[in-house]
Amino acid sequence: GQQLNQSPQSMFIQEGEDVSMNCTSSSIFNTWLWYKQDPGEGPVLLIALYKAGELTSNGRLTAQFGITRKDSFLNISASIPSDVGIYFCAGPTSGTYKYIFGTGTRLKVLA
Amino acid sequence: NAGVTQTPKFQVLKTGQSMTLQCAQDMNHNSMYWYRQDPGMGLRLIYYSASEGTTDKGEVPNGYNVSRLNKREFSLRLESAAPSQTSVYFCASSEWFGAGEAFFGQGTRLTVV
Repeated sequence: GQQLNQSPQSMFIQEGEDVSMNCTSSSIFNTWLWYKQDPGEGPVLLIALYKAGELTSNGRLTAQFGITRKDSFLNISASIPSDVGIYFCAGPTSGTYKYIFGTGTRLKVLA
Repeated sequence: NAGVTQTPKFQVLKTGQSMTLQCAQDMNHNSMYWYRQDPGMGLRLIYYSASEGTTDKGEVPNGYNVSRLNKREFSLRLESAAPSQTSVYFCASSEWFGAGEAFFGQGTRLTVV
C-alpha cells in the first residue's frame, strides 16, 4: 500500500535554529497536510497544501508542495521551546478520501 | 468549545476482556474516524464513518468494531483484547469525508496485559 516516509525521524536543535523536514511518497498526492502533535495531545493541523509547487506559510512555519507531487517539505524558522513535538505529514490515498499519515518527525529543542 | 472528546483517557485491560472507547464531537461534523498510534508507525486508520449511518474499514480493522450512534458519537469496541492492541487511540472528525482538516481528541492510552 501507499506509504509516507518522513525524515529525519528525530532531531535535536538549539533554540533559534531553523528546522527542515520532509515527507516522501511512492505515489502522487493531490493534497498534503502537515500536523503537529504536542506531548499527550492529539495532532493539530498546521498547514494544508492543494497544488503542486504551492508554498504556504503559517507564522514561522513554511510548507511546500513538491512539484513532482510525491513530496512535501516543512520548514520552521527560529525555533522556540514550544516547537517540541511530533510533526506528521498526511495525504489522501490514491482514488479515495482516506488520509494516511507519515511516520512522524520528533523535534526536540534545546534551550 | 469542547471539540472532540474521548473517554476514557487511560485503560488497562487483561487479555480477552472487552471494552468500548467513546468519542463525541460538538462541531456538527459529518465524518468521524478512529486511528491508532504506535511508536515509529504514525497514525493508522482503523475505521471511519463518512456520514451518519455509514461505517467502513480503514487500514487496520481486524479485532475492532465501530458504531456511529448518531451524528455526534462514534464508538470503537474491542471484543477480545490482545496485547497487540496496546496503543494510543485517537478519534477525529471532519466537516465532510475527504475534507483536509481533521480535528482530533486527546487520545486514549490502552494497555493490554
